[in-house]
Amino acid sequence: SQQGEEDPQALSIQEGENATMNCSYKTSINNLQWYRQNSGRGLVHLILIRSNEREKHSGRLRVTLDTSKKSSSLLITASRAADTASYFCATYPSGGTSYGKLTFGQGTILTVHP
Amino acid sequence: EAGVTQSPTHLIKTRGQQVTLRCSPISGHTSVYWYQQALGLGLQFLLWYDEGEERNRGNFPPRFSGRQFPNYSSELNVNALELEDSALYLCASSSSLITGNYNEQFFGPGTRLTVL
Repeated sequence: SQQGEEDPQALSIQEGENATMNCSYKTSINNLQWYRQNSGRGLVHLILIRSNEREKHSGRLRVTLDTSKKSSSLLITASRAADTASYFCATYPSGGTSYGKLTFGQGTILTVHP
Repeated sequence: EAGVTQSPTHLIKTRGQQVTLRCSPISGHTSVYWYQQALGLGLQFLLWYDEGEERNRGNFPPRFSGRQFPNYSSELNVNALELEDSALYLCASSSSLITGNYNEQFFGPGTRLTVL
């Protein structure tokens, strides 16, 4: 079963608008990562946030992590048509039998209209 | 720097056949991971290799197996193919996870397997 759950499942916006995607998870984690996938191709790593971090920025991306609520959000500012893709959160659990298992959510499909 | 490479790009097999998929990690990466992305099921962790050994596996039957070579490249083998094995198989690599560094994984373009 998927540890992460993304919300919403699909998001449709206009170019220039901001896009916010949320992710919830169930167990304690070492870190949480966000990936992008274009049209069923390989995943592109976007950003990694560790369990002791609360916010991280990379270009137009802003990620927050709330370990007390077991949730994260990805904000893409000033979106572009090229941002159209599926976005996944993935968590590295803190050891145990899940050692090494990066667990993905079901993803959010983002469509940015020109 | 070359990224993760996978071969072949596409593959069509029939039920009961066997298939081998190949992956070359980024230079310097020793951990290699395999994932299955089937329609409607999302990305599922399959296997993790490091230093030539299987370190962990997901909830998949034993007909899914693989190995890692001394140059850290890896193969995924699937025996007795079933229709539900049709999926995109993704390989990823990272710096060694057995050192305790939970770093980002870098993914290859995937192999699209269709089982008829």
